[in-house]
Amino acid sequence: EAGVAQSPRYKIIEKRQSVAFWCNPISGHATLYWYQQILGQGPKLLIQFQNNGVVDDSQLPKDRFSAERLKGVDSTLKIQPAKLEDSAVYLCASRPLTGNNSPLHFGNGTRLTVT
Amino acid sequence: SQQGEEDPQALSIQEGENATMNCSYKTSINNLQWYRQNSGRGLVHLILIRSNEREKHSGRLRVTLDTSKKSSSLLITASRAADTASYFCATPRSMDSSYKLIFGSGTRLLVRP
Repeated sequence: EAGVAQSPRYKIIEKRQSVAFWCNPISGHATLYWYQQILGQGPKLLIQFQNNGVVDDSQLPKDRFSAERLKGVDSTLKIQPAKLEDSAVYLCASRPLTGNNSPLHFGNGTRLTVT
Repeated sequence: SQQGEEDPQALSIQEGENATMNCSYKTSINNLQWYRQNSGRGLVHLILIRSNEREKHSGRLRVTLDTSKKSSSLLITASRAADTASYFCATPRSMDSSYKLIFGSGTRLLVRP
């Protein structure tokens, strides 16, 4: 089984620039998550999709962050404009649409540095 | 907001020793999960314990759950240098149709050869 794929692995941008991250979840996984992990902290949920619909984006800074999951498969997360405090690792995770005991499968993340 | 908090924040032990990490959480749960994160990588699921279980084993891992104290512990026996990683507890929050996994702040484990 192929894992969750994310790209790019690293990105360095200047503040006020825009950036986009891409995620391809495990085939057949209906639920997709984007997490933000600041250095030394645990992952913080940004947005959750079920198929191609958003079920929770309460923690997403919507003035600068946006995400979509067209066709219920791949997803992109965009930041525009970026701020210094957006420097973090952005993790994508997926899980099948089954019961409450199925774990999340994570990609290796995109490390964003905003200078 | 963080649901779980791990203790200690950092732990350094000698290879062969046991490592114990603790997690406290705030709300009622139906399961608690532990994940490992190697440097520069994503999180990997280790073990899940249901709310009606008190202890669970998987290889060198032993997890306990005390729902009355809202706490869990992860024990790694006979540690190896390869166990060096950050360990996170996570608890699910189900509201309506969403299923969110909320992570703690993690314990950074260093196993010295």
